[in-house]
Amino acid sequence: EPEVTQTPSHQVTQMGQEVILRCVPISNHLYFYWYRQILGQKVEFLVSFYNNEISEKSEIFDDQFSVERPDGSNFTLKIRSTKLEDSAMYFCASSVGLAGGLPYYEQYFGPGTRLTVT
Amino acid sequence: AQSVTQPDIHITVSEGASLELRCNYSYGATPYLFWYVQSPGQGLQLLLKYFSGDTLVQGIKGFEAEFKRSQSSFNLRKPSVHWSDAAEYFCAVGLNDYKLSFGAGTTVTVRA
Repeated sequence: EPEVTQTPSHQVTQMGQEVILRCVPISNHLYFYWYRQILGQKVEFLVSFYNNEISEKSEIFDDQFSVERPDGSNFTLKIRSTKLEDSAMYFCASSVGLAGGLPYYEQYFGPGTRLTVT
Repeated sequence: AQSVTQPDIHITVSEGASLELRCNYSYGATPYLFWYVQSPGQGLQLLLKYFSGDTLVQGIKGFEAEFKRSQSSFNLRKPSVHWSDAAEYFCAVGLNDYKLSFGAGTTVTVRA
């Protein structure tokens, strides 16, 4: 069964460093997402991406964050200068997108990358 | 304000007993509704979804959920839980903006 994969599973970085979290969405999916879950808190939406551009972003997704689809398979989240409060589990998700003219929200999530900023 | 509420933070249930997890939403329109499960160290797995039509939906692992518009609820049920059902369960809603909003989650503990 196709699945979303994410690397690395755990990333430790020092405050102020740049990190890139990588995701390989399901191959025929068109919409891509990043969410994060700070320990003990809700899963929060960060950004959605379609047709090589951001379709929506939350207030969390400030100028320190960027996303890219550098090739036909990878989808990355970059944090330019990490802060302590960026420590969280980051989930990538993908969905087929429009199906039969209706929005198709069935999002499939990867296993997550645990980011620890020290 | 728009919100998703899971009133129960933690539920303990005996193996073989029934389970019901509550989810309420507060949105102007009927959203798309989902239940996800997260086992320790794992990602979020989709259990079931409601878009329209029959208000009782069946999912994987023997779970079902019922959408009740009058109560703005989408409660998850399983008639007989297994030890492997111990996990965290998240209710999520989607509107016409392609993002999902999650509830805070309910942790389910299964005792032998």
